[in-house]
Amino acid sequence: AQRVTQPEKLLSVFKGAPVELKCNYSYSGSPELFWYVQYSRQRLQLLLRHISRESIKGFTADLNKGETSFHLKKPFAQEEDSAMYYCALNWGGYQKVTFGTGTKLQVIP
Amino acid sequence: NAGVTQTPKFQVLKTGQSMTLQCAQDMNHNSMYWYRQDPGMGLRLIYYSASEGTTDKGEVPNGYNVSRLNKREFSLRLESAAPSQTSVYFCASSRGDSPSYEQYFGPGTRLTVT
Repeated sequence: AQRVTQPEKLLSVFKGAPVELKCNYSYSGSPELFWYVQYSRQRLQLLLRHISRESIKGFTADLNKGETSFHLKKPFAQEEDSAMYYCALNWGGYQKVTFGTGTKLQVIP
Repeated sequence: NAGVTQTPKFQVLKTGQSMTLQCAQDMNHNSMYWYRQDPGMGLRLIYYSASEGTTDKGEVPNGYNVSRLNKREFSLRLESAAPSQTSVYFCASSRGDSPSYEQYFGPGTRLTVT
């Protein structure tokens, strides 16, 4: 069965330090992976998707099919990055999505 | 465009009461979804509607029913609320015709069942 695993519930880093939020998935088909972010008092929104291979707000994520991972990275954390981050897998005819349990990123000033 | 809207924003129910959560989107999306968000559990799919006129169960459908009223609206009904249904409920929509399209979320409804 498809699964998305985010092993860290909370990740605390100092401002300016590198950030890596881990995401591993299990899916036998071709994965479509996303990172969503939820800032305090805001709705969940898309941060980036693997197919775009883009950098948003300094964040990047590379799909590693060999390791079945889609880790989110940023070289220098900012205070405004503090938020809840969810990794998500689209599968099974597009309409089905599985989210990870989320990682709360706390950037310490 | 308002995007995805949800009503109400907050609700307190007593055990056994019923209520309907409303969701509407103005992006002409085909697919709509209902999730619940619980601490440590992330987002779990309750029901989804791939297109107008169709609905399917997600991961945690027990205790809920849904109606895809038209292309814009997708409602979630709790027939007999239980304390285990205390959660934040999110509605989302997407174009649905490709796995590369993201979901757009509503602001959420915070439901407490006492």
